[in-house]
Amino acid sequence: GDSVTQMEGPVTLSEEAFLTINCTYTATGYPSLFWYVQYPGEGLQLLLKATKADDKGSNKGFEATYRKETTSFHLEKGSVQVSDSAVYFCALSDRGGATNKLIFGTGTLLAVQP
Amino acid sequence: NAGVTQTPKFRILKIGQSMTLQCTQDMNHNYMYWYRQDPGMGLKLIYYSVGAGITDKGEVPNGYNVSRSTTEDFPLRLELAAPSQTSVYFCASSWMDGNTIYFGEGSWLTVV
Repeated sequence: GDSVTQMEGPVTLSEEAFLTINCTYTATGYPSLFWYVQYPGEGLQLLLKATKADDKGSNKGFEATYRKETTSFHLEKGSVQVSDSAVYFCALSDRGGATNKLIFGTGTLLAVQP
Repeated sequence: NAGVTQTPKFRILKIGQSMTLQCTQDMNHNYMYWYRQDPGMGLKLIYYSVGAGITDKGEVPNGYNVSRSTTEDFPLRLELAAPSQTSVYFCASSWMDGNTIYFGEGSWLTVV
């Protein structure tokens, strides 16, 4: 079945460092891809999304490009801040099945130190 | 803007007790979902609904029941609580296209 694999954490960076969190997927159809962020003690918030191959999603300085050839959707940010410390989840949506179920990766904890 | 609202936020249950997690959304979304999140894991789908009167099982439905009598509400019922149901529960909703799924703030449940 469909699945999402993302790099294990925690990822610890200094402020202003470059961030990459890897995400690859397996899907039989043409899923939409998402990055969700979860701040401590809160629910999940949509960070960015891409609905078709070569689309780039972006928000709050974060970017991810839907790469069909490598089945990847890596999250990047050029300069992280302490406030970016959170758990980041990569997910795909089973749009082909018409149920829109999200399949999540296990999450990557990002800790940014001042 | 309320969005997706879950109650209660925190609850401690004894083994064998029953309870209902409430979820309501004010965006007129067709689709609603219940997920659970265990420590260090991603979210797993428990049940989902594509419209009022229609529900179906997700990956981990055992020990839970749901109903969808209105578009707005999608309660999750735990009939006989077990320690394995200690988790954080998230309700979510979306339009039919599924391009954006909105999550509630979560319900932290501990079964002792």
